Amino acid sequence: NAGVTQTPKFQVLKTGQSMTLQCAQDMNHEYMSWYRQDPGMGLRLIHYSVGAGITDQGEVPNGYNVSRSTTEDFPLRLLSAAPSQTSVYFCASSPSGRAISINEQFFGPGTRLTVL
Amino acid sequence: RKEVEQDPGPFNVPEGATVAFNCTYSNSASQSFFWYRQDCRKEPKLLMSVYSSGNEDGRFTAQLNRASQYISLLIRDSKLSDSATYLCVVNILFSQKVTFGTGTKLQVIP
Repeated sequence: NAGVTQTPKFQVLKTGQSMTLQCAQDMNHEYMSWYRQDPGMGLRLIHYSVGAGITDQGEVPNGYNVSRSTTEDFPLRLLSAAPSQTSVYFCASSPSGRAISINEQFFGPGTRLTVL
Repeated sequence: RKEVEQDPGPFNVPEGATVAFNCTYSNSASQSFFWYRQDCRKEPKLLMSVYSSGNEDGRFTAQLNRASQYISLLIRDSKLSDSATYLCVVNILFSQKVTFGTGTKLQVIP
């Protein structure tokens, strides 16, 4: 199993550009999530999904869109990039989707995004 | 008040020392608790879950104190390879939102 994969590893954007961060998992996990990690802020939840066709907002959803058309893929779209979105983005998956609580999450290697 | 709070450290300890971290949480409906480890510029990885009765995995012991709303991680006989940031993670009952603490940095010194 490849686990959770993310592309690209690094990206530089100009303010106002849009792009999609890709995330895929091959473990048939129901739950997938996107986090951003900034110095001193820890990981903050952007969006999450408990199964194909179901998405919901996390703590910091503004400026980001997601969709979940398949179990495997959970892309994150930046609509109009801003310097405040410079961060490291992690995608994660967990076997527990609609369970009472979320168990272990498996993380991808991250995407380092810089917005100029 | 933050939902999950950790002392950012750094904790600088000599090899072989015992070190303990605490993590406090504010929501009494919190149900699931975990410690993750994150190496520099890498993704977080699960270190251990935290059970109500406390649990141990080799040199690592995790405890939960529901009355005072905190969890702890004890590392005995510290190794150089234990140097990392330790993240406290909390999940509220019936919620699919997971909250991470900002992490505690540990540096084990030769």
